[in-house]
Amino acid sequence: AQTVTQSQPEMSVQEAETVTLSCTYDTSENNYYLFWYKQPPSRQMILVIRQEAYKQQNATENRFSVNFQKAAKSFSLKISDSQLGDTAMYFCAFNNAGNMLTFGGGTRLMVKP
Amino acid sequence: DTEVTQTPKHLVMGMTNKKSLKCEQHMGHRAMYWYKQKAKKPPELMFVYSYEKLSINESVPSRFSPECPNSSLLNLHLHALQPEDSALYLCASSSTGTGGKGYTFGSGTRLTVV
Repeated sequence: AQTVTQSQPEMSVQEAETVTLSCTYDTSENNYYLFWYKQPPSRQMILVIRQEAYKQQNATENRFSVNFQKAAKSFSLKISDSQLGDTAMYFCAFNNAGNMLTFGGGTRLMVKP
Repeated sequence: DTEVTQTPKHLVMGMTNKKSLKCEQHMGHRAMYWYKQKAKKPPELMFVYSYEKLSINESVPSRFSPECPNSSLLNLHLHALQPEDSALYLCASSSTGTGGKGYTFGSGTRLTVV
């Protein structure tokens, strides 16, 4: 079974600064996908960024980028130029080639003005 | 249409009531999911439907009864719930055959059992 660990229950960052959220996972599979989801107080889970394990290039979506270290089974999320609207719970998630998402425990991010 | 729509957004029910949660998507996704989420916790998988057939039931009590009438609709029927069942119930959908695109989630139903 796969496990996903987020070691930072809570983090805070000043507006306009950069913050990195950590995620590690454990799997014996070689083909899989990794995701970061954002859940603001509005409750909806929003896909922030995705990474395919067979791609070495780190994914980037505007201010969001990942540092994917396959050998270390690490998948961190970097948020640049943090904005107040980035305040949310962030969940790291793993999906094998099937349809089962496994979530980490979440990191609560607070962006301070 | 790239949304998953859940109704109602809020629901308060007594322990003897019968109610239903509804989820709808028109993205052509053939896999649909129900999750339960407690405050400050990750979502917990309850049920998975694939091509309108129940493929996974994560040992959910029988007071929760899922139904998939067609490829666009997913219902969760509730009966004789307990206060500890109060939570956010999330519906999600995805394309089948590959996990690469992730799930699309609805905004959830906040359920309170009194």
